[in-house]
Amino acid sequence: QSALTQPASVSGSPGQSITISCTGTSSDVGGYNYVSWYQQHPGKAPKLMIYEVSNRPSGVPDRFSGSKSGNTASLTISGLQAEDEADYYCSSYTSSSTLGVFGGGTKLTVL
Amino acid sequence: EVQLVQSGAEVKKPGESLKISCKGSGYSFTSYWIGWVRQMPGKGLEWMGIIYPGDSDTRYSPSFQGQVTISADKSISTAYLQWSSLKASDTAMYYCATWRVGTSDYWGQGTLVTVSS
Repeated sequence: QSALTQPASVSGSPGQSITISCTGTSSDVGGYNYVSWYQQHPGKAPKLMIYEVSNRPSGVPDRFSGSKSGNTASLTISGLQAEDEADYYCSSYTSSSTLGVFGGGTKLTVL
Repeated sequence: EVQLVQSGAEVKKPGESLKISCKGSGYSFTSYWIGWVRQMPGKGLEWMGIIYPGDSDTRYSPSFQGQVTISADKSISTAYLQWSSLKASDTAMYYCATWRVGTSDYWGQGTLVTVSS
């Protein structure tokens, strides 16, 4: 069982917005602003999409945004596109491990 | 451009040893932590451990402590992950990635390790 809880799957139609949640505790998500999100297409390496809760690396579309409230972080994708269909993982710093922890992953299906 | 290039896929038998590699370029290899992530078939991501090539300071996840060895050769900007005795349960994709608190900015392409008799 992963330390961070994500929904197994979410879906949306092109053009719509979806939100993926990532729930932890005050020892990880809630206690630090070190939450990141990764996109992984089948057979490919993960790609950083959001870091430090809400920052986008250069080259990531502004359709992707991150936020946090209490022990839950969220990734929102607006204007959904077919190419957004992938697995998404959250990650957080945690006081119990230097390395940090991942969520279990969420499969996004674009209908 | 930052790049992490990993060694190719491996097929091994249980009990055999293995060392896979990850070569960094486009940045100061000795100034950033680099780590290894396991992804078992159809499963999620797990941190195994990280190393700081500048002084070889190494940290392991408790789940992988004693099971693998992480090392680095800063003269050739390469990090390594090795096993002394593979098990079938080590079958997985292994990724190297740069590491800073809460974030991994750059990832290698992955190395598939298959352990089967």
